Amino acid sequence: GAVVSQHPSWVICKSGTSVKIECRSLDFQATTMFWYRQFPKQSLMLMATSNEGSKATYEQGVEKDKFLINHASLTLSTLTVTSAHPEDSSFYICSAPLSLADYNEQFFGPGTRLTVL
Amino acid sequence: QKEVEQDPGPLSVPEGAIVSLNCTYSNSAFQYFMWYRQYSRKGPELLMYTYSSGNKEDGRFTAQVDKSSKYISLFIRDSQPSDSATYLCAGEGRGGGNKLTFGTGTQLKVEL
Repeated sequence: GAVVSQHPSWVICKSGTSVKIECRSLDFQATTMFWYRQFPKQSLMLMATSNEGSKATYEQGVEKDKFLINHASLTLSTLTVTSAHPEDSSFYICSAPLSLADYNEQFFGPGTRLTVL
Repeated sequence: QKEVEQDPGPLSVPEGAIVSLNCTYSNSAFQYFMWYRQYSRKGPELLMYTYSSGNKEDGRFTAQVDKSSKYISLFIRDSQPSDSATYLCAGEGRGGGNKLTFGTGTQLKVEL
């Protein structure tokens, strides 16, 4: 299957700093990528849809100025958590769809665990 | 009310048991229904998807969707310790490649 990577796999930062997370589709191109956040023992919650060449689409309640998304190329989307606070500590996962025979399967990255001190 | 409801478990079964995992949903626009498996600290991986109502079988796994009752099920036969993971159901409104709405996930442990 297709591979989606994320970097870093985990990061610890101080409150008030910014953190950038990269999501790459390694063997296919993706004009759209999705960013999710998952708190412990909770579901994946969609944060935003990243669109190559245009602005990201944010879900209701997600601050676009705090979670900056850039889809720089057909294989790379980045999520920057600006002025991070402890409540931003979470597991961030990206996904990218790939068209298969009769279905566009979404492939997920391994996730990035963010801890804000 | 959440769009997709799922019992978080944990669910513990002996090896070889038949496992039944279930979800209910409220969004009538969902047409595709997926089951993902997620190991601890990893991203989800797709197990199966089903379009509209019906059954789909793949090896030891069977997915069922009943749109009339908005009920989704995943059955695992001859469960193995390696099946221990969190299983997430999800719904999608169009033909793939679009945003998914997930349940909370059910944590499954298959014991020797």
